Amino acid sequence: SYELTQPPSVSVSPGQTARITCSGDALSKQYAYWYQQKPGQAPVVIIYKDSDRPSGIPERFSGSSSGTTVTLTISGVQAEDEADYYCQSADRSGTYVIFGGGTKLTVL
Amino acid sequence: QVQLQESGPGLVKPSQTLSLTCTVSGGSISSDNYSWSWIRQPAGKGLEWIGRIHISGSTTYNPSLKSRLIISVDTSKNQFSLKLSSVTATDTAVYYCASEAIVVVPPAMDYYSYMDVWGKGTTVTVSS
Repeated sequence: SYELTQPPSVSVSPGQTARITCSGDALSKQYAYWYQQKPGQAPVVIIYKDSDRPSGIPERFSGSSSGTTVTLTISGVQAEDEADYYCQSADRSGTYVIFGGGTKLTVL
Repeated sequence: QVQLQESGPGLVKPSQTLSLTCTVSGGSISSDNYSWSWIRQPAGKGLEWIGRIHISGSTTYNPSLKSRLIISVDTSKNQFSLKLSSVTATDTAVYYCASEAIVVVPPAMDYYSYMDVWGKGTTVTVSS
């Protein structure tokens, strides 16, 4: 089966830069997407097609891709960025949606 | 802006069928540029994609749920639905519906898709 692997948790102080990685073999062929989920709320897409940002998403959120790993970078982290972050992609054929296990970002 | 709203029973008995409906407003479910997906999330756990349907009638199901799953669409009501049979306690979760934007990339006409709008989610508990 196809998997996406994320670190369970990342901690950062306000104003610092947070980096959350997501790795999986199919990422060399398929795009990655990132979702932010705050407690009690539905996920919201913050990055699509590896590095594009939907309108309304702050510029401090950025995405990058290298081989089988994609990275979500949050520059100048703010307290409101504390949330769970999920990467999402597809299997090699592009048929099935796969989510990473999620990363809890804690703002110290 | 498209909005989605899940509805259905919050409690289902084991071995019965879980049925949920997602109502789409602010847009047409008949758009060729979207598929319509279901995702679930057990309490304290991660997201699991359940499956999708496109207005063409094409469905794609998570292989782990395929034998128990039916996703259908009702264009007259601008709704799509989920039926999951033979449920057990492991099916207890928050269930989300989402629109899956399909973006075609010229010139090869390849495409990618992602969940651009989500419903607020509905909690379903499987218990006797």
